[in-house]
Amino acid sequence: NAGVTQTPKFRVLKTGQSMTLLCAQDMNHEYMYWYRQDPGMGLRLIHYSVGEGTTAKGEVPDGYNVSRLKKQNFLLGLESAAPSQTSVYFCASNLAGPYEQYFGPGTRLTVT
Amino acid sequence: EDQVTQSPEALRLQEGESSSLNCSYTVSGLRGLFWYRQDPGKGPEFLFTLYSAGEEKEKERLKATLTKKESFLHITAPKPEDSATYLCAVQETSGSRLTFGEGTQLTVNP
Repeated sequence: NAGVTQTPKFRVLKTGQSMTLLCAQDMNHEYMYWYRQDPGMGLRLIHYSVGEGTTAKGEVPDGYNVSRLKKQNFLLGLESAAPSQTSVYFCASNLAGPYEQYFGPGTRLTVT
Repeated sequence: EDQVTQSPEALRLQEGESSSLNCSYTVSGLRGLFWYRQDPGKGPEFLFTLYSAGEEKEKERLKATLTKKESFLHITAPKPEDSATYLCAVQETSGSRLTFGEGTQLTVNP
């Protein structure tokens, strides 16, 4: 099992450009999450999904959109990147219930 | 609103010098408290889940404990390979989301 994978690993964008981050999991998990991690701020939830075709806003959703068309994939989109979106992005997944989340290796995004 | 505060922010130990990391939390109803380890440039790696006050779990040199207001991660006779950032997170009874603390950066010197 690959677990949770993320593509790409690194990306540099210019202000105003768009991109999509892909998260895939092969553990048949119902729930999937997107976080961003910034120095001094910890991990903050952007959006999450409790099942195929469902999405919900987290703590810091502005400037991001998500889609979960297939159970195993969760996409995070930036329509018009801003320097404030420079961060490390992590995807996670888990089974429904009080169970641990499994994290991907992260995507380091720089917006200039 | 759920809150998680970890202390200290950073901790330096000598190899073999035992210590504890603290995670204080405020949540309306606790469903679970989670400890993770994060190495530089990698995603968080799950360590423990604690569900109720008084519960304890152990793994190698690590032991996690839980009270109604805080959790401790005890590190016994640490080794340099225990150096990492340790994250604490809480899940409340009404949902699936986790609220994370900012972490404690542990450095163990040989």
